[in-house]
Amino acid sequence: QKEVEQDPGPLSVPEGAIVSLNCTYSNSAFQYFMWYRQYSRKGPELLMYTYSSGNKEDGRFTAQVDKSSKYISLFIRDSQPSDSATYLCAMSAYTGGFKTIFGAGTRLFVKA
Amino acid sequence: DAEITQSPRHKITETGRQVTLACHQTWNHNNMFWYRQDLGHGLRLIHYSYGVHDTNKGEVSDGYSVSRSNTEDLPLTLESAASSQTSVYFCASSELDDRGGNTIYFGEGSWLTVV
Repeated sequence: QKEVEQDPGPLSVPEGAIVSLNCTYSNSAFQYFMWYRQYSRKGPELLMYTYSSGNKEDGRFTAQVDKSSKYISLFIRDSQPSDSATYLCAMSAYTGGFKTIFGAGTRLFVKA
Repeated sequence: DAEITQSPRHKITETGRQVTLACHQTWNHNNMFWYRQDLGHGLRLIHYSYGVHDTNKGEVSDGYSVSRSNTEDLPLTLESAASSQTSVYFCASSELDDRGGNTIYFGEGSWLTVV
């Protein structure tokens, strides 16, 4: 079993839709959670990070963490064609040294 | 603005040749990483460094080496390039904050083709 599971998609939605992207993880030591956006032929770009359970909002993006269920989500409101990209979740733990694991990424297409 | 610069951005090389990918960061981060990204495998860690003169193997380190002589640079060397090393390579850096957060910042990638 992988430490982080993320549905690769592709996920196709119409412009203006609410998008929900999700990851599950198995290691309860993970305490820091990140979401990255990666456009084609570009490096991953940090979108949001959060330390704790609950919601964190930044503009049209909301990151949600449920540590009890080991489940994290990224919601995109009013999705735009420019949101079309691959979204990677990531999580890290500090256990002597730190360890960061990335999900495989979900490919999102937002149709105009 | 701080950034991570990788060079070359694209390279084609022949099997058996030695190749070095350069990475330079201006974040002044102690931690630096090299990842490769392949379809079906996501990002896989090749080598990482927690500071000058420190290097560590990641999950796919065979055939690769790194050296860290200063804070800013972590070059990745493919000692004898193989077709299986055709991939896109990302350099990254991070700094641990006082809450245990470890935000990783990536370069734009180096596309390597081994023929």
